[in-house]
Amino acid sequence: RKEVEQDPGPFNVPEGATVAFNCTYSNSASQSFFWYRQDCRKEPKLLMSVYSSGNEDGRFTAQLNRASQYISLLIRDSKLSDSATYLCVVNIVTGTASKLTFGTGTRLQVTL
Amino acid sequence: DGGITQSPKYLFRKEGQNVTLSCEQNLNHDAMYWYRQDPGQGLRLIYYSQIVNDFQKGDIAEGYSVSREKKESFPLTVTSAQKNPTAFYLCASKGGVQETQYFGPGTRLLVL
Repeated sequence: RKEVEQDPGPFNVPEGATVAFNCTYSNSASQSFFWYRQDCRKEPKLLMSVYSSGNEDGRFTAQLNRASQYISLLIRDSKLSDSATYLCVVNIVTGTASKLTFGTGTRLQVTL
Repeated sequence: DGGITQSPKYLFRKEGQNVTLSCEQNLNHDAMYWYRQDPGQGLRLIYYSQIVNDFQKGDIAEGYSVSREKKESFPLTVTSAQKNPTAFYLCASKGGVQETQYFGPGTRLLVL
């Protein structure tokens, strides 16, 4: 089983739609969680951290369910510019070292 | 501007050749990381360094070497022992309040 699993997509949605991505992780020692966005042939960029209480940043809402080891990202009112691959990332701290584990990403294509 | 730079953007390697990828950051971050990304796979950790003059193997260190003589610099050498070096190589550094990782623009390595 992969440490971080995501539906690879692609998700094809029309502009203005609401779309949700899910992610599950296997290591219960995971301590912090992130969503990164990666455009084609570019580096990943931090989209938002994910907190236990859930958090929102404009059109983006992230949720964490520690009991189910599940993370989600909701995008409302999708824009063409939201087209990208969204990476689910978990951080595991062992002693003084921390390690990020990346999902393979979910590809989103927003169309007119 | 503060950030992470990687060079070159594209690199071609001949059989049996060692090549070195550059990574520089002026963010004053202690920790730096090297990942490789292959199509359809998540980022995989090659090496990381939490402080100057110290580095640790990641999940796929075989065929690679690094050095960390300066805080700002973390070069990666892809040796001839790495049999499948074609990939997108990403350098990252970690810092800030949330201890998140920030990525450089990446280097694409191709084998001739």
